Amino acid sequence: DADVTQTPRNRITKTGKRIMLECSQTKGHDRMYWYRQDPGLGLRLIYYSFDVKDINKGEISDGYSVSRQAQAKFSLSLESAIPNQTALYFCATSDPGQNEKLFFGSGTQLSVL
Amino acid sequence: LAKTTQPISMDSYEGQEVNITCSHNNIATNDYITWYQQFPSQGPRFIIQGYKTKVTNEVASLFIPADRKSSTLSLPRVSLSDTAVYYCLVGDYSSASKIIFGSGTRLSIRP
Repeated sequence: DADVTQTPRNRITKTGKRIMLECSQTKGHDRMYWYRQDPGLGLRLIYYSFDVKDINKGEISDGYSVSRQAQAKFSLSLESAIPNQTALYFCATSDPGQNEKLFFGSGTQLSVL
Repeated sequence: LAKTTQPISMDSYEGQEVNITCSHNNIATNDYITWYQQFPSQGPRFIIQGYKTKVTNEVASLFIPADRKSSTLSLPRVSLSDTAVYYCLVGDYSSASKIIFGSGTRLSIRP
């Protein structure tokens, strides 16, 4: 969904490096999410935020941190990347007024060498 | 959280109707049923959502029996571009944080 933009689209980094993935949205939604997808598997929730002052851990938050800089911006950081964090990362937004329909970005493919 | 079970993969041919069934035996009263479609290297895209009976939109139909323990996504007259992974999700939509993505059904359409 073009209304949810993720940068970069692809990133290769080395073990131990700090990396930030960014997400911005123009949908005006308060709720934002970060998911991780490994090959052949479904998406797993890393962190989510219901508004600028709200941050919540998801299913697999260890090794990750997030920052909600504004309603439209939600970034995901890997403080010290490790190879098993190689995955496809998705940002999403939702609106409780639309039964929490999720709107996803195009994803960031991260490779940790 | 209601767990869903759906076939790992399905094959069909262009022009056929495809029905993907999802089981959710412990669905709760407040839970909705939602289907998403995902193409390779793209984020999932909402297809359809329902609570009971039948829902139809321009893309698909969703059939939900009275006991709501299963649901069937119906794709009419599929084309090659319908090749994708389809996820059945069940959840109390007070929060998408409660929604669990399974492994989905990998649908392959052949000419």
